[in-house]
Amino acid sequence: KAGVTQTPRYLIKTRGQQVTLSCSPISGHRSVSWYQQTPGQGLQFLFEYFSETQRNKGNFPGRFSGRQFSNSRSEMNVSTLELGDSALYLCASSRAVQETQYFGPGTRLLVL
Amino acid sequence: GENVEQHPSTLSVQEGDSAVIKCTYSDSASNYFPWYKQELGKGPQLIIDIRSNVGEKKDQRIAVTLNKTAKHFSLHITETQPEDSAVYFCAASKAAGNKLTFGGGTRVLVKP
Repeated sequence: KAGVTQTPRYLIKTRGQQVTLSCSPISGHRSVSWYQQTPGQGLQFLFEYFSETQRNKGNFPGRFSGRQFSNSRSEMNVSTLELGDSALYLCASSRAVQETQYFGPGTRLLVL
Repeated sequence: GENVEQHPSTLSVQEGDSAVIKCTYSDSASNYFPWYKQELGKGPQLIIDIRSNVGEKKDQRIAVTLNKTAKHFSLHITETQPEDSAVYFCAASKAAGNKLTFGGGTRVLVKP
């Protein structure tokens, strides 16, 4: 069974631009969560989706948004990029809530 | 909100020795505690998890113990091998959600 896939793997943007990251969960998994990983703040929860509904949101500004499609694939969007948004963005999927979460390889975003 | 503290931040052990990583959590409602291993350039990989109705769980060379009263849980790796070198993260989550709160990570180096 294929694992969680994330595209693109690497991205370079400039301040003020916006970016969309994509996540395809493991087949049969309906829950997708997003995390931001930085050397300074570690792994921080962004949001969680289940059956196209956002169930939980972390403490990030409104520039960070996401959505989930009917096939469980998810996208996250960051608008008006700031230098501090440079990070590894990780997606995790699980069959349902409170079940084991499996992470993808991440998208490394660099904001110049 | 939940806070997870992880110690030590770095751990160097000789091949064949044991490694122990400890985490404490603040929210007594947390009931699910996974451990992830992250290698350079990869996403976190689940290595073992434990739920609050269990005090200990073992999988070959890896074991996790949970003390709900003290609100701490530990990862034990026996007979360490060079391929165990990685960053290890503990995490906690509560029922009704998939939000994982992560510890700060432990960089483990196994010296041959």
